[in-house]
Amino acid sequence: GAGVSQTPSNKVTEKGKYVELRCDPISGHTALYWYRQSLGQGPEFLIYFQGTGAADDSGLPNDRFFAVRPEGSVSTLKIQRTERGDSAVYLCASSPAGRVNNEQFFGPGTRLTVL
Amino acid sequence: TQLLEQSPQFLSIQEGENLTVYCNSSSVFSSLQWYRQEPGEGPVLLVTVVTGGEVKKLKRLTFQFGDARKDSSLHITAAQPGDTGLYLCAGVPHAGGTSYGKLTFGQGTILTVHP
Repeated sequence: GAGVSQTPSNKVTEKGKYVELRCDPISGHTALYWYRQSLGQGPEFLIYFQGTGAADDSGLPNDRFFAVRPEGSVSTLKIQRTERGDSAVYLCASSPAGRVNNEQFFGPGTRLTVL
Repeated sequence: TQLLEQSPQFLSIQEGENLTVYCNSSSVFSSLQWYRQEPGEGPVLLVTVVTGGEVKKLKRLTFQFGDARKDSSLHITAAQPGDTGLYLCAGVPHAGGTSYGKLTFGQGTILTVHP
């Protein structure tokens, strides 16, 4: 079956621009997570959705970052006024439900490069 | 912030050797997960350990959760070139509330097994 998909796979933008990163979770998965992975590091939690609502957005680094999931399926991570330090791989994961030990299924990520 | 310290960061060994990767924290976790990540892909779950002292085996891989649920280890017996990859430990914070499934990752161990 189809796994988690993310588009685009690569995004190059200029400092100060706005970008949107899309995540299509596995069908039926109610929980959705965004992580950011810098080179040589483990993924870092950004935000968690249970259904349409953001249950935990404590990982968003600042107010330039925002994410939505209006219909409880596809999610979009939005970054305003991008900075070079935003360059990283942005990973999306989904899970059947937001239970503590549920396996999270990760997408391949979007590699964002801010010039 | 609950941190996971993973060691070693890099490991380069010959085929047939054994190795152990460690994941340590001063905090208690509800569970510890181990992932493997290939270049250009998202992490893939290998195992979840939940109970203090738990040991799980997956073919040549042995995973252990510390008695106090603050640390974990991954041991690979007779490593093969196909084991090459980035190994990540990740913990679910023992915090309850609405942060179910939110993962805290270690920095990762890059394993290279030479034929």
